[in-house]
Amino acid sequence: QVQLQESGPGLVKPSETLSLTCTVYNFSINSGHYWGWIRQPPGEGLEWIGSIYQSGTTYYNPSLKRRVTISVDTSKNQFSLKLSSVTAADTAFYFCARNFMFRGVVSWFDPWGQGTLVTVS
Amino acid sequence: EIVMTQSPATLSVSPGERATLSCRASQSISNNLAWYQQKPGQAPRLLIYGASTRATGIPARFSGSGSGTEFTLTISSLQSEDFAVYYCQQYSNWPPMYSFGQGTKLEIK
Repeated sequence: QVQLQESGPGLVKPSETLSLTCTVYNFSINSGHYWGWIRQPPGEGLEWIGSIYQSGTTYYNPSLKRRVTISVDTSKNQFSLKLSSVTAADTAFYFCARNFMFRGVVSWFDPWGQGTLVTVS
Repeated sequence: EIVMTQSPATLSVSPGERATLSCRASQSISNNLAWYQQKPGQAPRLLIYGASTRATGIPARFSGSGSGTEFTLTISSLQSEDFAVYYCQQYSNWPPMYSFGQGTKLEIK
């Protein structure tokens, strides 16, 4: 079945750039769905960061847009997240997920990767 | 921005009983709502989409209802594995600007 796996450093220094990659297994990233990043500070709720289509079209959360870049590498079946100028407030579990396209509507997230904790310190 | 509000924050229910979780949108989202279950140390799992359609492999004891601004997730006859945190998510905006509720923790009474 479709599986997603996040990878990247677990510790980032303040003011630097957080970089994560999501590898998609058993499913082509060129399949007509979007692909998204969501984060969750420890013990808190979920926040959508942004989503990308196979063509490279992106949509970002306005609250993070100034600092976020999401890109896609279809040859590797991967998509990536960069978040610049990080602070302690960016410490969170970062999840990647398929952002399902249903009847032309970019909609829910399924499945999700297991998540990776990134600490800014 | 559409704000999603879940209630209650914590719900204590005994195994075998019914649990009813609520999610309210700050403006109408039609039926563009999903529900997720998250257990400690795990990623969220999709339960319901389209406000009332169960995702693949989700047991029939999970059901969703509602449209517009008021939504409900009902879990009939709670099993031990159902105690978790539940989130709602709207996907009504275009361009996409997804928002989640703050979650309801379902705990054993």
